[in-house]
Amino acid sequence: NAGVMQNPRHLVRRRGQEARLRCSPMKGHSHVYWYRQLPEEGLKFMVYLQKENIIDESGMPKERFSAEFPKEGPSILRIQQVVRGDSAAYFCASSPGTLTNEKLFFGSGTQLSVL
Amino acid sequence: RKEVEQDPGPFNVPEGATVAFNCTYSNSASQSFFWYRQDCRKEPKLLMSVYSSGNEDGRFTAQLNRASQYISLLIRDSKLSDSATYLCVRYGGSQGNLIFGKGTKLSVKP
Repeated sequence: NAGVMQNPRHLVRRRGQEARLRCSPMKGHSHVYWYRQLPEEGLKFMVYLQKENIIDESGMPKERFSAEFPKEGPSILRIQQVVRGDSAAYFCASSPGTLTNEKLFFGSGTQLSVL
Repeated sequence: RKEVEQDPGPFNVPEGATVAFNCTYSNSASQSFFWYRQDCRKEPKLLMSVYSSGNEDGRFTAQLNRASQYISLLIRDSKLSDSATYLCVRYGGSQGNLIFGKGTKLSVKP
């Protein structure tokens, strides 16, 4: 049973380009979460999705960031017109149910570097 | 006051030592707490949940003090492989939201 799969592992973008980060949850998991970790900082919650629905996006920046979890395929975190401050590790996690009852399993992360 | 606050360390200890980390939180309504471990540039992994009654898993003991709003992690007989950053985490209440501390770095030396 594969764990949470994220790709790419490393992504380099120039300022103004778009970044697309992908996350495939563990088999049987329908809840996906995205977290961002800036250098020397703790993980910060960004968004929580279930299939085709955004449940909580309270941690998402108001502009340039969007997330989706379509019926088929991986969850996508999209960052438009990237800036240097977007450089960070982006972790995806999944769970089979809501967090009150379930553990969270993290993927290996995507390290985004903006030049 | 930060939601979850930890001493960043680093804690440098010899093998075999006992080391304790504390973490304070600001939301008294918080119900669930966890300790995660994160190795350099890798994903966080759940170490243990924290219960009011305290819980132990081998060399690791976690305690929750609701009155003082802090949780602790005790590691006995430290191993070199325990070197990592330990993240204090509380469940944020809204459905997807875990609140992470910045972490405490532990370095176990031979």
